[in-house]
Amino acid sequence: DAGVTQSPTHLIKTRGQHVTLRCSPISGHKSVSWYQQVLGQGPQFIFQYYEKEERGRGNFPDRFSARQFPNYSSELNVNALLLGDSALYLCASSPILRGLTTGYTFGSGTRLTVV
Amino acid sequence: GQQLNQSPQSMFIQEGEDVSMNCTSSSIFNTWLWYKQDPGEGPVLLIALYKAGELTSNGRLTAQFGITRKDSFLNISASIPSDVGIYFCAGLLSAGANSKLTFGKGITLSVRP
Repeated sequence: DAGVTQSPTHLIKTRGQHVTLRCSPISGHKSVSWYQQVLGQGPQFIFQYYEKEERGRGNFPDRFSARQFPNYSSELNVNALLLGDSALYLCASSPILRGLTTGYTFGSGTRLTVV
Repeated sequence: GQQLNQSPQSMFIQEGEDVSMNCTSSSIFNTWLWYKQDPGEGPVLLIALYKAGELTSNGRLTAQFGITRKDSFLNISASIPSDVGIYFCAGLLSAGANSKLTFGKGITLSVRP
């Protein structure tokens, strides 16, 4: 079985540009979450989606948005990029059993560099 | 955003030694997770703890969920070179399908052969 796949693996963008990151969850996992990991820090929660609806949002500005598609894959969009948006963006998928989130499997991430 | 407390930032041990890592929080969690991250990769789940007081082992790894639900520890026994990496603790306070992981800053473990 394929794990969580993210694309692209690396990306360089200029300040002010827009970026779209993509994630495919493990087959059967209906919940997808996004995390930002700045160098030297632990991952920080950005969004959780379940059944195509936003179920949670972290402390990130409105420049960050996401969506989930009918096949449970997801996109993270960031507008008006700032230098501080440079980070590893991680996607995690999880099954929902009896209404509860159980276990998170992370992808290898997308390394975004803003110059 | 909130982060769990992990210290020290780095640990250096000799191959074959045991090492323990603590993680504390000002908030309670229903689940504690320990992850290992290698350079250029995403975090990989090592152990998950679901009940206060629970002690769980996975090979040379042992972890416990503190009875106050505000702390956890991870112990690695008989360390080997491939144990090198960054170890993160994470707390989960799940409310149905709404949930998020709160991570510590991580501990970088180095193992001298």
